[in-house]
Amino acid sequence: EVQLVESGGALVQPGGSLRLSCAASGFTLSDHYIDWVRQAPGKGLEWVGRSRNKAKSYTTEYAASVRGRFTLSRDDSSNSLHLHMNSLESGDTAIYYCTRPLKDGSAWWVGDYWGQGSLVTVSS
Amino acid sequence: DIQMTQSPSAMSASVGDRVTITCRASQGIGNSLAWFQQKPGEVPKRLIYAVSSLQSGVPSRFSGSGSGTEFTLTISSLQPEDSATYYCLQKVGYPFTFGQGTKLEIK
Repeated sequence: EVQLVESGGALVQPGGSLRLSCAASGFTLSDHYIDWVRQAPGKGLEWVGRSRNKAKSYTTEYAASVRGRFTLSRDDSSNSLHLHMNSLESGDTAIYYCTRPLKDGSAWWVGDYWGQGSLVTVSS
Repeated sequence: DIQMTQSPSAMSASVGDRVTITCRASQGIGNSLAWFQQKPGEVPKRLIYAVSSLQSGVPSRFSGSGSGTEFTLTISSLQPEDSATYYCLQKVGYPFTFGQGTKLEIK
């Protein structure tokens, strides 16, 4: 059974850093792309970033709002992926979801499997 | 960035009604559009990808259509369990962008 479990969410002060983790089970994470999507309290969905698979050298893409502050990395030994968040702002307060996309031909469609999310609160 | 604009932002309809939600892109996105449903307290669920491909397990009353910059999600006969917020997503280029959401309530 495919499962994604996020962890690491916490209350952090503005300007601080945090690392979220996404632990995968039921499949080999290195074979798959992973997207992060966030949702601020009471607000809509925002795509945060993408980590491509090992075949694509784990290259990454980011939303403009987080580019230069957030970084995605992988740990094949633990079948997990990390979202490193620096220079956090109040606008980063959200539930962060890791999600495995659907591969259809050469296209990867966001949101085939989702974790339950990890809450990040940025506040003094 | 490509902007995705959904309309309406909120609506209510009766069980059995035909419901249409529209998503407009700020530039052409080919068939790189998906639709998601999110119920309160739940994670989003993808209903449709590539404009009109129905995700496995999704009821056939849901359908998608459109091309270029205008796309629609249609629920042919609204059911009580369809009360949710619906989002479109474009993935033609980075960054991917969601619409702002359409909150659908059952009368």
